Amino acid sequence: GESVGLHLPTLSVQEGDNSIINCAYSNSASDYFIWYKQESGKGPQFIIDIRSNMDKRQGQRVTVLLNKTVKHLSLQIAATQPGDSAVYFCADSYSGNTPLVFGKGTRLSVIA
Amino acid sequence: GAGVSQSPSNKVTEKGKDVELRCDPISGHTALYWYRQRLGQGLEFLIYFQGNSAPDKSGLPSDRFSAERTGESVSTLTIQRTQQEDSAVYLCASSFGVNQPQHFGDGTRLSIL
Repeated sequence: GESVGLHLPTLSVQEGDNSIINCAYSNSASDYFIWYKQESGKGPQFIIDIRSNMDKRQGQRVTVLLNKTVKHLSLQIAATQPGDSAVYFCADSYSGNTPLVFGKGTRLSVIA
Repeated sequence: GAGVSQSPSNKVTEKGKDVELRCDPISGHTALYWYRQRLGQGLEFLIYFQGNSAPDKSGLPSDRFSAERTGESVSTLTIQRTQQEDSAVYLCASSFGVNQPQHFGDGTRLSIL
């Protein structure tokens, strides 16, 4: 859903631990999902995406898990580093001429 | 450059003035989007373009806001008679198609005095 008028939830993790950021989406027809990272003063940057024919996809230190049954998406970051501190947004869309719908975002704070 | 470029990066203006924000998308990207982001908050969708037409203007907050795109390239977001509540970062993104990853610029930080 849209992310308007709400302050962001925060997740604090110890450096070196794994982080899990969760996202719920509302459209059961969504077939494309994406995670963005936004650092202070910058625009959101693409991290990883996944299509609905998959339930897991791995990148460098990141894994995205998709559970279509409960309409849930998660981003796992392995061995979290201070540079991972940022706001993370999920987004979804469905085939056709519709743009991504962004979630509300989660602020990840890494404790050194 | 290779990325989405927005100008100005910062804009300070007096309440009641008009402002124009510019976005240069990545070359070849047919879709272009505008978002507003208030301090510490998420992305608020404003409008998107497919080519030069805007199929969805539902996010524009009021009739003081308008946007246009020409030549399937640069887009401008205009805010007339600015109000203090318009203070925010305005982000632009572009993509090859609507159902494709969006690439963002670093935004224009607008401050209304």
